[in-house]
Amino acid sequence: GESVGLHLPTLSVQEGDNSIINCAYSNSASDYFIWYKQESGKGPQFIIDIRSNMDKRQGQRVTVLLNKTVKHLSLQIAATQPGDSAVYFCAENPSNTGKLIFGQGTTLQVKP
Amino acid sequence: GAGVSQSPRYKVAKRGQDVALRCDPISGHVSLFWYQQALGQGPEFLTYFQNEAQLDKSGLPSDRFFAERPEGSVSTLKIQRTQKEDSAVYLCASSLGGEGTEAFFGQGTRLTVV
Repeated sequence: GESVGLHLPTLSVQEGDNSIINCAYSNSASDYFIWYKQESGKGPQFIIDIRSNMDKRQGQRVTVLLNKTVKHLSLQIAATQPGDSAVYFCAENPSNTGKLIFGQGTTLQVKP
Repeated sequence: GAGVSQSPRYKVAKRGQDVALRCDPISGHVSLFWYQQALGQGPEFLTYFQNEAQLDKSGLPSDRFFAERPEGSVSTLKIQRTQKEDSAVYLCASSLGGEGTEAFFGQGTRLTVV
């Protein structure tokens, strides 16, 4: 069935280090993927997206990598800051309607 | 408004009560989505509107759940005869619509059924 999952429930990094959050998806028909950040008590906040015709996309301090061969998605955060502490979700949009399938999330903890 | 607004932020209901959760999307956004997020889990899709038309309600867990968007703007998610398993955060998101447009989420309504 359709599912999006994350490999690690919690990731702890030192402030200033780079963070890598991974995600595996199972729906090979999906062609649009998004990373969201969710802070406690708030709704998910869009970070970056990528289409299946790309394998890499960069934003400000963030990079998303897509490997369609192994159905793997990753989010790289450069120079991680305390404000990056949150739960990160990958999501796929298999139907191009905006209906999203979310993974369970990875908690990123940044140590000062 | 500047973002998606949901009300109330918190709702405590006794089991068996009916509740209504409101979502005010970003002005001009065609698409509106409802998600349910259990504690420690990712959001799960409930239903989707394009303007006033409910195009997908495949995620609604039972016929106790009902959503409407009569004028293509504000939406209400209604849960009848609430059960404890309905306790969750209910998130609303809106987007301009079309392929791959960014969805903006509200802060959610935390529903606790006691």
